[in-house]
Amino acid sequence: SAVISQKPSRDICQRGTSLTIQCQVDSQVTMMFWYRQQPGQSLTLIATANQGSEATYESGFVIDKFPISRPNLTFSTLTVSNMSPEDSSIYLCSVPTTRTGGRTEAFFGQGTRLTVV
Amino acid sequence: GENVEQHPSTLSVQEGDSAVIKCTYSDSASNYFPWYKQELGKGPQLIIDIRSNVGEKKDQRIAVTLNKTAKHFSLHITETQPEDSAVYFCAASRIPGGGNKLTFGTGTQLKVEL
Repeated sequence: SAVISQKPSRDICQRGTSLTIQCQVDSQVTMMFWYRQQPGQSLTLIATANQGSEATYESGFVIDKFPISRPNLTFSTLTVSNMSPEDSSIYLCSVPTTRTGGRTEAFFGQGTRLTVV
Repeated sequence: GENVEQHPSTLSVQEGDSAVIKCTYSDSASNYFPWYKQELGKGPQLIIDIRSNVGEKKDQRIAVTLNKTAKHFSLHITETQPEDSAVYFCAASRIPGGGNKLTFGTGTQLKVEL
């Protein structure tokens, strides 16, 4: 399985500011995904981070609010911009890993718990 | 797009009993159905998955069944233990073609009582 490290693990931020979350994987991966988990809710896909091209955003999420970088095959960042209390969530990085035989599994980092005050 | 519904939202069982969580999906093209366990303060952990060419899969005390015709799949945990207490999420995806993007159910809070 892939080892995924996210930083920071948690943060409390003032409204109007921005926070950049880092995701580091211990192996090269083609795709990396960013999910949001609002308090007590399920996980919702924000975007797919593509290496060498712009991220692909899901409906309801825009680049201006959630800019993503993917400088290489092991690293990505998600920025939450101009934060409001509604952005308080857990943000999770996910990586699909293909095992021997072609089986693909999705692994998650431990998440970044963001509180906006 | 895909829509995944999950029931129940909360489930309380006595230690040693079985627990069953059910999910339905809407996209007939979905062919990969993982289950995740999320403990407090941690990211989701894959516990078992099933692909659409298989009807049932077991791994020790955990089993998953899939009814492709009815578009529903279930997680079965036998001989539950207190450490099974967590939030469980089902998910659905199309592999390949769906880009490995997962659509999650709403989650089930499982509590195993002594």
